[in-house]
Amino acid sequence: QQPVQSPQAVILREGEDAVINCSSSKALYSVHWYRQKHGEAPIFLMILLKGGEQKGHDKISASFNEKKQQSSLYLTASQLSYSGTYFCGTEMISGAGSYQLTFGKGTKLSVIP
Amino acid sequence: DTGVSQNPRHKITKRGQNVTFRCDPISEHNRLYWYRQTLGQGPEFLTYFQNEAQLEKSRLLSDRFSAERPKGSFSTLEIQRTEQGDSAMYLCASSLALGTNGELFFGEGSRLTVL
Repeated sequence: QQPVQSPQAVILREGEDAVINCSSSKALYSVHWYRQKHGEAPIFLMILLKGGEQKGHDKISASFNEKKQQSSLYLTASQLSYSGTYFCGTEMISGAGSYQLTFGKGTKLSVIP
Repeated sequence: DTGVSQNPRHKITKRGQNVTFRCDPISEHNRLYWYRQTLGQGPEFLTYFQNEAQLEKSRLLSDRFSAERPKGSFSTLEIQRTEQGDSAMYLCASSLALGTNGELFFGEGSRLTVL
């Protein structure tokens, strides 16, 4: 079941903040966040495990609400280098007991001077 | 370089031909994923291995697609009788199992163009 991301695209000026949301209709084991720049492979940002945790890295942080099956990525004081497409990946436990990571369609973030 | 390696990086083929892609994961990673990505879309899950066992396969994957990971090391993805709709970037990723070590390391991808 593919997670749903919103917004699909956002344009920011340097220094502005943004929030990207990710929601799932299924119970989640974890949520991953990745950023992909044009023509490059996705790069890992962070993992959030169930338990309602919050994580941060520099000015990028994220939260995971297990009950609502939602995660949000917060970008504070955006920099030009933040531009790219952000994907959330949701990890679920399948009926067979194995783990599958499914990505959303992405949120394209453009930071302009 | 100890990252994930994929070969070939680009493949152009005629419709109906078979193609095979290879992925060499980070050596100590026991999980290996194949994804397909088309322009403007997120990586679409194809299949997943834990060591040599193929544990999950997308229902979207037709019988023309097959993947192997002999001995739990490198993996191959074969597409038989290619169709134009198979044109995409095929991404391989590897990780350690579960939890906070579950970060996926992606390779540069193999771009397939079917004429």
